[in-house]
Amino acid sequence: SQQGEEDPQALSIQEGENATMNCSYKTSINNLQWYRQNSGRGLVHLILIRSNEREKHSGRLRVTLDTSKKSSSLLITASRAADTASYFCATDLIYNQGGKLIFGQGTELSVKP
Amino acid sequence: NAGVTQTPKFQVLKTGQSMTLQCAQDMNHEYMSWYRQDPGMGLRLIHYSVGAGITDQGEVPNGYNVSRSTTEDFPLRLLSAAPSQTSVYFCASSYSIPGENSYEQYFGPGTRLTVT
Repeated sequence: SQQGEEDPQALSIQEGENATMNCSYKTSINNLQWYRQNSGRGLVHLILIRSNEREKHSGRLRVTLDTSKKSSSLLITASRAADTASYFCATDLIYNQGGKLIFGQGTELSVKP
Repeated sequence: NAGVTQTPKFQVLKTGQSMTLQCAQDMNHEYMSWYRQDPGMGLRLIHYSVGAGITDQGEVPNGYNVSRSTTEDFPLRLLSAAPSQTSVYFCASSYSIPGENSYEQYFGPGTRLTVT
């Protein structure tokens, strides 16, 4: 079964609005990562938050992590049409070996100009 | 650097045929993985490798073989293709940061496989 579950599955907003995506997971993690996938392309790493961190920023991205609730959120502020893509959370399980991320099903974000 | 490259981009197979999906990276990453992506399922790990000569199974390994004879290459072999293996396949590589458990992954562009 999937380690990460994302909510919502699809999100449609207007340009300039903020977009929030949520990810829940089941077992203890080393870190949680967010990736973006444009249609027909490979995934691109956006941001990584470690299990001992609660919040991290990168440009217009803000990620939070609540290990007590086993959940994370990705906030994209002042969205642009170019942010239209699918967004995936991925967990790096504790005691994991490298290269073994577990991905959620993704949130499909549509930003209308 | 070319990053992670995958060939072919598209492939159509008949049921029962075998083929190898190629993956190569030029970043000297020790870790490499294969995922398949199906609609509504996200990415599921097929096989991964933590270094040359070392491979292990992921969530959905059945019907696939891998080997890692060099750091650069990590081919995925379909032994006898089945329609259930119709999917988009992604190869990824990553490296460890000394003293940290952080493995950011770099993905290839994918191979779209159809089995009829």
